[in-house]
Amino acid sequence: ETGVTQTPRHLVMGMTNKKSLKCEQHLGHNAMYWYKQSAKKPLELMFVYSLEERVENNSVPSRFSPECPNSSHLFLHLHTLQPEDSALYLCASSIGERPAGDTQYFGPGTRLTVL
Amino acid sequence: GQQLNQSPQSMFIQEGEDVSMNCTSSSIFNTWLWYKQDPGEGPVLLIALYKAGELTSNGRLTAQFGITRKDSFLNISASIPSDVGIYFCAGQRIQGAQKLVFGQGTRLTINP
Repeated sequence: ETGVTQTPRHLVMGMTNKKSLKCEQHLGHNAMYWYKQSAKKPLELMFVYSLEERVENNSVPSRFSPECPNSSHLFLHLHTLQPEDSALYLCASSIGERPAGDTQYFGPGTRLTVL
Repeated sequence: GQQLNQSPQSMFIQEGEDVSMNCTSSSIFNTWLWYKQDPGEGPVLLIALYKAGELTSNGRLTAQFGITRKDSFLNISASIPSDVGIYFCAGQRIQGAQKLVFGQGTRLTINP
């Protein structure tokens, strides 16, 4: 069983569509993350959830709406996106509590194209 | 904000050569991580470093956590074609649900 899975792997949507990205982790972790990866830019942290509570929102536009119903699942709801939102969206998870370091494990990503 | 400077941005080498890349920061980090990303996939963790001065190996890969806690390097010995990909460093500071700061990546290309 793969540690962190994401669906769909590819998504093409128009600017008026509403879609959702799904992430599931099978590692027993307590923290989950959404990142955006655009061409030639470092990975950008979008949201952090710890024990199902949002603990970080990195100034992300409201057209991105995260949801964490339990510690194993994370969603990113998308609506009225812009073409510049086209990117690889990566989910990650970590144990969440480890003073010496809390390693994040990534899913394969969803390649999103906004037309 | 926190930034990591990763270099080189790209490398073109012959199979069998050794590779070295590094990351530097103006901020101190408690943890340094090195990831590799293949096309169309998410980053995969290669090595995690938790102590200043720590030197850790994973097969042909060796990474070190700088004494100043502001830098780290990754070496790959005797490169093979499957080493092709983008390598990212990441620094981590905050306890609990932790934030990662990523470098820009080093794209490695290997000529057989």
